[in-house]
Amino acid sequence: DQQVKQNSPSLSVQEGRISILNCDYTNSMFDYFLWYKKYPAEGPTFLISISSIKDKNEDGRFTVFLNKSAKHLSLHIVPSQPGDSAVYFCAASATDSWGKLQFGAGTQVVVTP
Amino acid sequence: DARVTQTPRDKVTEMGQEVTMRCQPILGHNTVFWYRQTMKQGLELLAYFRNRAPLDDSGMPKDRFSAEMPDATLATLKIQPSEPRDSAVYFCASGMGQGTFGAQYFGPGTRLLVL
Repeated sequence: DQQVKQNSPSLSVQEGRISILNCDYTNSMFDYFLWYKKYPAEGPTFLISISSIKDKNEDGRFTVFLNKSAKHLSLHIVPSQPGDSAVYFCAASATDSWGKLQFGAGTQVVVTP
Repeated sequence: DARVTQTPRDKVTEMGQEVTMRCQPILGHNTVFWYRQTMKQGLELLAYFRNRAPLDDSGMPKDRFSAEMPDATLATLKIQPSEPRDSAVYFCASGMGQGTFGAQYFGPGTRLLVL
């Protein structure tokens, strides 16, 4: 039962443009959401998170938006850089099960010159 | 630069052999997680500990997998006996268990191949 879904397995974007990654979830108990970036042969690296009391969180080039009514979140990367080429995972957890992160399948982002 | 370390980075073994993976969490983190990544299942949580006590191992095949935390600086994941279907990348992660809002920080993983 996939509670966190990333429906786009890949995304290609030009350097300098915006990358938009999407994530949907089904469990209404989820109240904390995270994005991770993963390079080959490395562990996932924490990027940015958002709690359900907010609808937006920014950190430099990365902004996460949360739409609770639609059970949807997105990650915006502006501007995209070649070093952003990686697999991006969306993850979610619920207060009563902190630590049990449910991960999406990931989106492979390729930033082209 | 604090980070989670894992050993070995790569392990090739034969079916039926025992495999032990080790993890050193970030100093001061009180929660340690074990994940497995496969092409088919993606990233799935196997078990986690808080303050060295096991909190949940429902994601782990109990008959052959065991996870322990002998002290605050070492977590182990053991497979005995190993099977080809255990081939995967195993990640350890650590975090501060302060309520809900805490990120988990991952190690580089142990790539396991069981022949």
